[in-house]
Amino acid sequence: GAVVSQHPSRVICKSGTSVKIECRSLDFQATTMFWYRQFPKKSLMLMATSNEGSKATYEQGVEKDKFLINHASLTLSTLTVTSAHPEDSSFYICSARRGGPGTEAFFGQGTRLTVV
Amino acid sequence: KNEVEQSPQNLTAQEGEFITINCSYSVGISALHWLQQHPGGGIVSLFMLSSGKKKHGRLIATINIQEKHSSLHITASHPRDSAVYICAADLRNKLIFGTGTRLQVFP
Repeated sequence: GAVVSQHPSRVICKSGTSVKIECRSLDFQATTMFWYRQFPKKSLMLMATSNEGSKATYEQGVEKDKFLINHASLTLSTLTVTSAHPEDSSFYICSARRGGPGTEAFFGQGTRLTVV
Repeated sequence: KNEVEQSPQNLTAQEGEFITINCSYSVGISALHWLQQHPGGGIVSLFMLSSGKKKHGRLIATINIQEKHSSLHITASHPRDSAVYICAADLRNKLIFGTGTRLQVFP
């Protein structure tokens, strides 16, 4: 199956700093990638849809200035958590699809962010 | 009411038992995904199906489009099957996730 690589898998940062998380599709081109957040023992919550070459589409309630998404190439999307606060501590995971609806979704390994 | 409902929420089994996890959805979808999430957090895609039945090793997934219902079966369960199993409805290129079923298989 296709591989989506996410980095880093774990990061600890100080309040007020910014953290960048990378999501790469290693063996296919992904025009669309998705960023999710997961709280403990809860399901995945879609934060935004990352579109190559254009602005990301954010879900209601997600601050676009807080969670900056850049999809500069067909194989790389980045999520930057700006001015991180302890309440941003969470598990973040990306996914990518080879095509549109009805195609298989592949997930990164996830990033556990802890803001101290 | 959630658009995707899963049951049971928690499931324990003895090694070798046959396991069924159910998923019901209330929206029209292009496909239904079954995912597996291990304790470390990584998610693996098990199946994507839009009709009928698929089988991979000891895993079987079925879907009934008319009844908006899908099931994931695990035959001859093993402790390494312990994980959270999530169904997700594929709706206009977005995935709507169920709450997950936490499965523990004991030796």
